[in-house]
Amino acid sequence: AQKITQTQPGMFVQEKEAVTLDCTYDTSDQSYGLFWYKQPSSGEMIFLIYQGSYDEQNATEGRYSLNFQKARKSANLVISASQLGDSAMYFCAMREGLSGAGSYQLTFGKGTKLSVIP
Amino acid sequence: EPEVTQTPSHQVTQMGQEVILRCVPISNHLYFYWYRQILGQKVEFLVSFYNNEISEKSEIFDDQFSVERPDGSNFTLKIRSTKLEDSAMYFCASSMDGINQPQHFGDGTRLSIL
Repeated sequence: AQKITQTQPGMFVQEKEAVTLDCTYDTSDQSYGLFWYKQPSSGEMIFLIYQGSYDEQNATEGRYSLNFQKARKSANLVISASQLGDSAMYFCAMREGLSGAGSYQLTFGKGTKLSVIP
Repeated sequence: EPEVTQTPSHQVTQMGQEVILRCVPISNHLYFYWYRQILGQKVEFLVSFYNNEISEKSEIFDDQFSVERPDGSNFTLKIRSTKLEDSAMYFCASSMDGINQPQHFGDGTRLSIL
């Protein structure tokens, strides 16, 4: 089974509108973390936002917020007021519990390609 | 803002040759990682490194691969006897701690095997 599922291979959004990118995850760990990264066409990976499994509040970072629904195992990224520069691939990733001393690797989803339309 | 630096940005190598990909993690970070992304696919974990030793490695990270932190600042990934299927973007990442802090990625090295 996939640990991270991003069901939207591609999304379109009108400039200045809000958009939600879906992410569901699968883990039996109690302690885990969820991350979103942005990958523009130039290829770099840019950290956007983090949500810990024990965090009671949804994470927010500027125009980015994370809609964390623990019971549903979903961690959707919401981008408000979309800008042309938001056009990129977006990856959801999970760090599972304490898998071993000094190892907290991320498992990535397949990504969603977001295109912002002027 | 401090950042992870990777060199070279693009490496072209003949099949069978050895390559070394270099990374300078953020200076106060303690956890180091290599990931790879084959064109059009998701990012895959290769190896993690902490306290001067490998802490975990994926099944991709076989005897062909090795990592080193030779001088306290650089973090290298060596690929011996490269194969066509090693062509990918290789990302180095580092984090201050492993649990709550994000992993910061470098801009990647695009490795092309001919």
